[in-house]
Amino acid sequence: DVKVTQSSRYLVKRTGEKVFLECVQDMDHENMFWYRQDPGLGLRLIYFSYDVKMKEKGDIPEGYSVSREKKERFSLILESASTNQTSMYLCASSLMGGQPQHFGDGTRLSIL
Amino acid sequence: QKEVEQNSGPLSVPEGAIASLNCTYSDRVSQSFFWYRQYSGKSPELIMSIYSNGDKEDGRFTAQLNKASQYVSLLIRDSQPSDSATYLCAVRGGIKAAGNKLTFGGGTRVLVKP
Repeated sequence: DVKVTQSSRYLVKRTGEKVFLECVQDMDHENMFWYRQDPGLGLRLIYFSYDVKMKEKGDIPEGYSVSREKKERFSLILESASTNQTSMYLCASSLMGGQPQHFGDGTRLSIL
Repeated sequence: QKEVEQNSGPLSVPEGAIASLNCTYSDRVSQSFFWYRQYSGKSPELIMSIYSNGDKEDGRFTAQLNKASQYVSLLIRDSQPSDSATYLCAVRGGIKAAGNKLTFGGGTRVLVKP
């Protein structure tokens, strides 16, 4: 089975802090994704990566950056956390060629 | 017009009945279609993939795809209270879908009443 592991289930940070969310997958998937999910707004894509050191902006990249130094790891960085970044963050990975995405358990992030 | 549309529900069905969920999409060259189930507070879980026109069955779930009409549906037979969740439709477009990007619908909330 595909295993996508997010480093924290719950995280509380202060405004202005630099926040790192880590995601690791064990299935040698080329593609990795970061979403946030908010009530009434559905899943929104922040960034994705289709190869090591490659990244593409999603629909809502402002205030975020990403890093993919190794194939199995994809990090989401909140450069200066703000209260409107309080959300559920979901990492996903997939193979190429139309294969489904598999999600981690999510990180519920609160910015105070 | 949203790229992937679902009725938000809630869709209320009695236990043992068939739940029927629909999803329409706008990108005519879409290639791959997925249904995910998401329990409250949990992450989405893949339940069905479908790539060609027609029906695909997996246990109590049947996915139906009609590319000409640009819709995909999910049937849940013999609905159980444990099927109460939000069901997300996801579509992978054609050549525009760089990096295997999916577009998700807003989800349909299903409530199965004993």
